[in-house]
Amino acid sequence: DQQVKQNSPSLSVQEGRISILNCDYTNSMFDYFLWYKKYPAEGPTFLISISSIKDKNEDGRFTVFLNKSAKHLSLHIVPSQPGDSAVYFCAANWVGGSQGNLIFGKGTKLSVKP
Amino acid sequence: DAGITQSPRHKVTETGTPVTLRCHQTENHRYMYWYRQDPGHGLRLIHYSYGVKDTDKGEVSDGYSVSRSKTEDFLLTLESATSSQTSVYFCAISAQGADGNTIYFGEGSWLTVV
Repeated sequence: DQQVKQNSPSLSVQEGRISILNCDYTNSMFDYFLWYKKYPAEGPTFLISISSIKDKNEDGRFTVFLNKSAKHLSLHIVPSQPGDSAVYFCAANWVGGSQGNLIFGKGTKLSVKP
Repeated sequence: DAGITQSPRHKVTETGTPVTLRCHQTENHRYMYWYRQDPGHGLRLIHYSYGVKDTDKGEVSDGYSVSRSKTEDFLLTLESATSSQTSVYFCAISAQGADGNTIYFGEGSWLTVV
């Protein structure tokens, strides 16, 4: 049973437009959410996170939105750049869980076309 | 850069042979992890460690063992490699942030079992 779901395996966006990557979760105990970006042949790199006490966190071109009632979070990239083309993983954890033991979604491959 | 070094980075081995992957960190983090990444499965936790000689199983621990005799080194051993263990293996550490624990990954070890 998947606790963290990324229902879109892939997404294609034009350069300069907004990219929206979505993630749903089922465990209401989750209280910390993260996004990672992964290029081929490299390890995943931490991108941005959000605590459940917030509904928005922004870092430059990247914004994560959290809707706790819907158990849904999204990552917005504005404007999208070709270098953003990568696989994006959503992950979740909770304070009472094993430290840093994140539950990951299966990833969404983002392609930003020039 | 989380100060994580994985070795070997690439390895081809035969079915039934033992394989050990090494993870070395330079920043004295207490928690270390081994994940595997497979198409369609995202990132899945194999084992983790919360201190020297303190380890626990993750989601996909069957066929794997780990050891941590020093803070800086976390070893993953496949006692008798099988083709289903062909995968990319990522070591990770956990660092406490303002809102929660964030995992940082190494660059990965590509293992092919033939």
